[in-house]
Amino acid sequence: SAVISQKPSRDICQRGTSLTIQCQVDSQVTMMFWYRQQPGQSLTLIATANQGSEATYESGFVIDKFPISRPNLTFSTLTVSNMSPEDSSIYLCSVEYGVRTDTQYFGPGTRLTVL
Amino acid sequence: GNSVTQMEGPVTLSEEAFLTINCTYTATGYPSLFWYVQYPGEGLQLLLKATKADDKGSNKGFEATYRKETTSFHLEKGSVQVSDSAVYFCALTSTGTASKLTFGTGTRLQVTL
Repeated sequence: SAVISQKPSRDICQRGTSLTIQCQVDSQVTMMFWYRQQPGQSLTLIATANQGSEATYESGFVIDKFPISRPNLTFSTLTVSNMSPEDSSIYLCSVEYGVRTDTQYFGPGTRLTVL
Repeated sequence: GNSVTQMEGPVTLSEEAFLTINCTYTATGYPSLFWYVQYPGEGLQLLLKATKADDKGSNKGFEATYRKETTSFHLEKGSVQVSDSAVYFCALTSTGTASKLTFGTGTRLQVTL
């Protein structure tokens, strides 16, 4: 599997601001995903990042709050907009290689704290 | 819809003890099943997987067998080490859901000397 990196690894932000999280893979992948892990909780899929088109969001997540870009096959960003303390979570990107391999590999995560 | 149920944690064991973490699932079609592990302060790592009934996934001494008749995928290890202390997540993807992973709530394992 390839190397997946995320920036920043952690951040502390003020409410009302926005943070953009980057996910970089060192080889081309077919699928990229963004997950949220709230404190002490399991992972919840936010959206699938589609290359060259709008992301596909899961129920309960909207583009205005979590805009996502994927300009190419190795890079994606997730923005957490107009943050509130409830957005304090770990945000993880994951990737899938090939077509319907059904196996995802995760980045190290970005730990976000909103004050 | 799809769902995964894991045993509640934390699970506390002495080193070299036998580990079982129970996982059962509900899914349409023929899901693929996974165990992921999250070490303290780190992201998720794929531990093992199984893609069809009776398959056994194994890695680093951990094993899990895909039991369709009981819709289960229990994680086992014969002799745990302190370094196995982590949170373990059972997960599945189901046919027709475009690789969407559904996770269980996670089980924290603490291994002591």
